[in-house]
Amino acid sequence: GDSVTQMEGPVTLSEEAFLTINCTYTATGYPSLFWYVQYPGEGLQLLLKATKADDKGSNKGFEATYRKETTSFHLEKGSVQVSDSAVYFCALRNTGNQFYFGTGTSLTVIP
Amino acid sequence: EAGVVQSPRYKIIEKKQPVAFWCNPISGHNTLYWYRQNLGQGPELLIRYENEEAVDDSQLPKDRFSAERLKGVDSTLKIQPAELGDSAVYLCASSFVGGFTEAFFGQGTRLTVV
Repeated sequence: GDSVTQMEGPVTLSEEAFLTINCTYTATGYPSLFWYVQYPGEGLQLLLKATKADDKGSNKGFEATYRKETTSFHLEKGSVQVSDSAVYFCALRNTGNQFYFGTGTSLTVIP
Repeated sequence: EAGVVQSPRYKIIEKKQPVAFWCNPISGHNTLYWYRQNLGQGPELLIRYENEEAVDDSQLPKDRFSAERLKGVDSTLKIQPAELGDSAVYLCASSFVGGFTEAFFGQGTRLTVV
């Protein structure tokens, strides 16, 4: 079946460091790919998305590129801030209208 | 535009008691999802509705869990009786059916069974 595998955390970075969180997926057909962010006590919020191969999603300095050849959708940010501390989830939506989520990566940014 | 609304935000009950969660999706969204999220894990689907129809309930523990979506809008998820292992965050989400759009999530209900 379809699935998402993402880098396990927790990840701790200093402010202004470079961030990469790896995500790979398994799916039949051509899914849409998403990164969600979850702050403590809150639901999941969409961070960015890409709907077809080679698309780049971006938002708030975060970027991810849909790589069909490597079935990957890695999240990157060039300079993290303390306010980026949260849990990040990679997800896919397949052509059957089903969503699959990774297990989440906890990020802590220290001043 | 209002987002997905869930209530209550928190619930503490004793084991073997019943509990119910309510969700109001975004207006116009015909797909509604209920997920369970255990601590340190990603959301896991319990049930998915398209309009009034439950199209995917394979992961719903039907011996104790039930759900309904009246008139294809609001939804209620019920657990009866609750067990200690049901302690988790229950998330409701909605989206348009078809296409490649994202799901929008409510803030969740944190259930603690003691």
